[in-house]
Amino acid sequence: GENVEQHPSTLSVQEGDSAVIKCTYSDSASNYFPWYKQELGKGPQLIIDIRSNVGEKKDQRIAVTLNKTAKHFSLHITETQPEDSAVYFCAASIGFGNQFYFGTGTSLTVIP
Amino acid sequence: GAGVSQSPSNKVTEKGKDVELRCDPISGHTALYWYRQRLGQGLEFLIYFQGNSAPDKSGLPSDRFSAERTGGSVSTLTIQRTQQEDSAVYLCASSPRRREQYFGPGTRLTVT
Repeated sequence: GENVEQHPSTLSVQEGDSAVIKCTYSDSASNYFPWYKQELGKGPQLIIDIRSNVGEKKDQRIAVTLNKTAKHFSLHITETQPEDSAVYFCAASIGFGNQFYFGTGTSLTVIP
Repeated sequence: GAGVSQSPSNKVTEKGKDVELRCDPISGHTALYWYRQRLGQGLEFLIYFQGNSAPDKSGLPSDRFSAERTGGSVSTLTIQRTQQEDSAVYLCASSPRRREQYFGPGTRLTVT
């Protein structure tokens, strides 16, 4: 089955700097890659997603890039703010299958 | 509108007892997922419901775990004869399609 690896597990950045979180996947059939933000005591919230027919997608300060050849995708947060502090999860989904495979999460801390 | 709700928010139970966790999905969402999240880890898929189709139970870790979805809406996850390793946050998500998932806040289960 699919295996999603996520790095780093923890990340600290100064407010205003950029943060990058990387994920790799194993199954070339995966074609949908969402990113979730989870704040303490809450469920994950979808923040951005990308499909395999697109190489990059941007939404204000957040962007996601996908390299299908290398089977990796990354989350980029620019001009980080303290409220960006949370745990971020990547995921991969194969075709129109039912299962989403999640990474182990990255705990991001933005230092004011 | 109202999001996904789960109850109870916290549950403490003794080893060997049965527990029921409830999920109320967003109205009109046809798909419903259950995940388990152990402390500091990613999301582990448990079960998926889509409309009136037979559920995908491939993620259930043992026959002590079961779930049902009544009337295509509310879902209940039941864990029989709970064990300490069942301690985790149980997350429910619903989706209007086989893509974007909207998560509830989770139920934190502690087995003593």
